[in-house]
Amino acid sequence: EVRLVESGGDLVQPGGSLRLSCGASGLAFSTYAMTWVRQTPEKGLEWISVISATGDNTYYRDSVKGRFTVSRDNSKNTLYLQMNSLTVEDTALYYCAMGGGDFWGQGTLVTVSS
Amino acid sequence: EIFLTQTPLSSFVTFGQPASISCKSTQSLVHSDGNTYLSWLHQRPGQPPRLLIYNISSRFSGVPDRFSGSGTGTDFTLKINRVEAEDVGVYYCTQATQFPQTFGQGTKVEIK
Repeated sequence: EVRLVESGGDLVQPGGSLRLSCGASGLAFSTYAMTWVRQTPEKGLEWISVISATGDNTYYRDSVKGRFTVSRDNSKNTLYLQMNSLTVEDTALYYCAMGGGDFWGQGTLVTVSS
Repeated sequence: EIFLTQTPLSSFVTFGQPASISCKSTQSLVHSDGNTYLSWLHQRPGQPPRLLIYNISSRFSGVPDRFSGSGTGTDFTLKINRVEAEDVGVYYCTQATQFPQTFGQGTKVEIK
């Protein structure tokens, strides 16, 4: 059974940083691209970033470029999202997903507020 | 960026009756490799999305055959043959043909 478990979400002040993690099990993690998607009631589902299976290639939506960094450790079956210079617009439930959305984690909540 | 427009945004369906959701794209979703990366997701309240259909019409593992997808180019449809209680929730279309991956606004399906 594929299982993705996100962690690291928290309440943080504007301008702050967070590092999200996504632990994977039940899949050959190192063979899949992995995606981060966030969800808010206002904007719905919003793709943030994708990283190739090897980690050599990464892509970001424009609004997070230069602030967010996706990475992975295939030896630990773990995906990461380093988020810097957070703004209130980054407040959302953050999901990791296998590939382009084959399987999703339960999400971790990021709240940016003073 | 490719925009996906779903209709209707809300649907009340009688138990056992069919339901249909449309997804229209602002650009063709045919990739240069010949595939069309249009998928459908289902999200129950309080749960993450789960994949139902990929590449327009292929059912994902474990998805009941009452779900079917069709379409081509810019117009796509998800059909539920006979709605069951567990089908309530929000349905999203999503495209991965072109970066960034984008999602429709969602269609909320409720039972009458």
